[in-house]
This record gives sequence, structure tokens and C-alpha cells, in this order.
Amino acid sequence: GAGVSQSPRYKVAKRGQDVALRCDPISGHVSLFWYQQALGQGPEFLTYFQNEAQLDKSGLPSDRFFAERPEGSVSTLKIQRTQQEDSAVYLCASSPRLAGYNEQFFGPGTRLTVL
Amino acid sequence: AQTVTQSQPEMSVQEAETVTLSCTYDTSENNYYLFWYKQPPSRQMILVIRQEAYKQQNATENRFSVNFQKAAKSFSLKISDSQLGDTAMYFCAFPHRRSNSGYALNFGKGTSLLVTP
Repeated sequence: GAGVSQSPRYKVAKRGQDVALRCDPISGHVSLFWYQQALGQGPEFLTYFQNEAQLDKSGLPSDRFFAERPEGSVSTLKIQRTQQEDSAVYLCASSPRLAGYNEQFFGPGTRLTVL
Repeated sequence: AQTVTQSQPEMSVQEAETVTLSCTYDTSENNYYLFWYKQPPSRQMILVIRQEAYKQQNATENRFSVNFQKAAKSFSLKISDSQLGDTAMYFCAFPHRRSNSGYALNFGKGTSLLVTP
């Protein structure tokens, strides 16, 4: 079946613009994660959804970051008033199990560049 | 704190040779999974191999195998008969329990592996 998809694959924003990044998880996966990957680094946790409930948002770097998953499938990560330090690859991952303890399946990521 | 350490930022190996990537981690948990993920230049993160901590037998997936030393908290990846397509970033990852919710993966900084002809 289809894997995790993300759109857009690349996004260039001017500082101060708002952006929205979309994630389509594998159908039926209850757990959904967002990670931020800076250049040359490993991904770092941003937030976690179990179905439509956002159970953990402690990794979001500021209140400019907001994520939602209103119907328990597609998720959107929104960044308001983008700053240069927001430039990174944003990865979405889903897992068929609660809590994501087992394998997580990753999307291709969205590379965000803030000028 | 639950950390994952990959001490080799870059490695190079010739085609058909064997290479070992190292990873150490720190946890107070007793039962857990450990993962090696591969991220080729196209950026899609792919699971290479998974080890369950309560299993003493080292996991093997075709040319990929691990050396899991639970007491030493060491989890190295061995790639046998290296192929050009193995060129990628390799990340060691450990599920870290978040408070009141699920597990998110803690990743090491990665090892960039280059396979040369």
C-alpha cells in the first residue's frame, strides 16, 4: 500500500510568512509524529498524535508552531511568522500501534527554507 | 536523560567489504526496541533493522546484522558485502517514553556512510 506522503516537498518562505505542511499517514495508523531535522543532524521530536488527540506537544520550539489532526488521519503542521532558524526538514511518521513503541514509518519530508 | 550516541560522523567502505557502525545509548528501561534507520540522499527514512532488548539473539536482515550488548548499552550495525546503494546516512534510534503519552524516537547524530567502487 501507499506509504506516508508529505506536501509540499520543498517550501521557500520569506521571514514572517506563515506556512502549512501536510502529512498523509498510512491508512489506519493511529499514531502520528512530527520531527524536525536540522542540516547534518538527527531528527528531533516535535509533537505526537494518537488518532485526533494531540497527546504531546512538548517538542514544539515556540508558540509559533501549531499542529492538528482533526479527523485522526491527515495532519498539518503550521508555522506562523517564520524565522530563519525554522529552516529545516520536517518529517512526519506514523505507526500502526498506540504510542509508537514499535516501528515508525517516515514520509519523505518537507524541506523548509526561510529567507 | 535517554541519549543515543553515534561516535563516527563519517565512514567509507569499498564495495563488497564489511563495515560496522557503532551506537551506544542510555536508558533506565528494561524492555525496549532499538532501531537502525537509513536515510539516502533522497531523504526518505527507511527502517533497516530492529532489535528487541529482551531477545538475546542478535537481529539479522539479509546483509545487515546487529551486535547488541545490553549490559554495555551498545548496538552496532554490521553491513556485509557492501553495495553502492548502501551509501546513506545511518541513524541509530531508541524509543523514548514521553510523559503521559507515547514513545517518540530519540536519534543519534548519524553516520554518513560512503560505499566506493
